[in-house]
Amino acid sequence: QSALTQPRSVSGSPGQSVTISCTGTSSDVGGYNYVSWYQQHPGKAPKLMIYDVSKRPSGVPDRFSGSKSGNTASLTISGLQAEDEADYYCCSYAGSYAYVFGTGTKVTVL
Amino acid sequence: QVQLVQSGAEVKKPGASVKVSCKASGYTFTSYYMHWVRQAPGQGLEWMGIINPSGGSTSYAQKFQGRVTMTRDTSTSTVYMELSSLRSEDTAVYYCARAKNWFDPWGQGTLVTVSS
Repeated sequence: QSALTQPRSVSGSPGQSVTISCTGTSSDVGGYNYVSWYQQHPGKAPKLMIYDVSKRPSGVPDRFSGSKSGNTASLTISGLQAEDEADYYCCSYAGSYAYVFGTGTKVTVL
Repeated sequence: QVQLVQSGAEVKKPGASVKVSCKASGYTFTSYYMHWVRQAPGQGLEWMGIINPSGGSTSYAQKFQGRVTMTRDTSTSTVYMELSSLRSEDTAVYYCARAKNWFDPWGQGTLVTVSS
């Protein structure tokens, strides 16, 4: 199972919007509505930000949103804030109780 | 509140095995599967496998088949991940995470260092 493809880095100024793509195949991202997104600050455990493509857990700001089209999922951060600077990973169910993560994207707030 | 507490850091020699524990609290242990994920230094997240604490069934990533064993102890609400034939490339932080079709919450992570 190959890792899902994410851009290595994205950046934006405070208040701007950034979008992170996550490209897989019809066997993972395109085949199931089980894409989730995680935020990870240095030295910390990952934190769930989006699940089931576009659902937000309680406590996650509505600045974070998710979507999917075909084999590509996306995470959009609107109204970028300094504390959003972190690494972000997508993850998809890949069938037969298997999961695959994305390569990870570093978000920089300029 | 739901909490996953992992065992402490380990240092192992190449060829040895390591067993990491993850103790769950704040929910019904047998109602949720548990994932194991690792992260090598400066690298991304890598899914290792999943265990059903209710019956003990497991599913492992192909990369780790034959080297990883996941078990559970329902009396202590603890899951275990044992990785054998360790090599330097296994140096990483190992996480447990409660499973639905997503991962939440995560344990604090256990650093395993493989060095001669």
